[in-house]
Amino acid sequence: EAGVAQSPRYKIIEKRQSVAFWCNPISGHATLYWYQQILGQGPKLLIQFQNNGVVDDSQLPKDRFSAERLKGVDSTLKIQPAKLEDSAVYLCASSFLAGGSGANVLTFGAGSRLTVL
Amino acid sequence: RKEVEQDPGPFNVPEGATVAFNCTYSNSASQSFFWYRQDCRKEPKLLMSVYSSGNEDGRFTAQLNRASQYISLLIRDSKLSDSATYLCVVAWGNNRKLIWGLGTSLAVNP
Repeated sequence: EAGVAQSPRYKIIEKRQSVAFWCNPISGHATLYWYQQILGQGPKLLIQFQNNGVVDDSQLPKDRFSAERLKGVDSTLKIQPAKLEDSAVYLCASSFLAGGSGANVLTFGAGSRLTVL
Repeated sequence: RKEVEQDPGPFNVPEGATVAFNCTYSNSASQSFFWYRQDCRKEPKLLMSVYSSGNEDGRFTAQLNRASQYISLLIRDSKLSDSATYLCVVAWGNNRKLIWGLGTSLAVNP
């Protein structure tokens, strides 16, 4: 089974520039998550999709971050304009279903490491 | 009080030691519980789910105490390869909402 694919693996930009990250979840996984992980901290949920609908985006800084999953498969996370504090690893994860005791086993991609200078 | 709390450590233990981590949660309606492992500069990976009756997987034992609202992870006969950060995850809201702890860092020394 192919895993969760993410690109790019690394990105260095200057503040106020824009950046986009792409994620392709495991085939058949209805739920897709974008997390931000700052060094030394646990993952922080940015947005959760169920198919192509948004389940939770309460912690997404909507003035600068946006995400879409138009066809319910792959997803893009965009930051525009970037700030220094956005330097982090952006992790995409997917799960088969949301809801139900076995549903929240997440498989993560390798992450996209962003450095904002 | 944070929704999910873990002692960040680091826990430094010698090979062969037994080490235990606790994770407390604040929402009594929490439904599912997990331990994930994250190696340095890698993504988190599921270590084990935590069942009400407790469960064991080789050298790893997970337990749930609903009355006191905590889960635990016990690692016996620690190996150098167990060095990692262990993340506690709690699910509620019909398992739709996941809350992650900040992680506990373990270093197993030769």
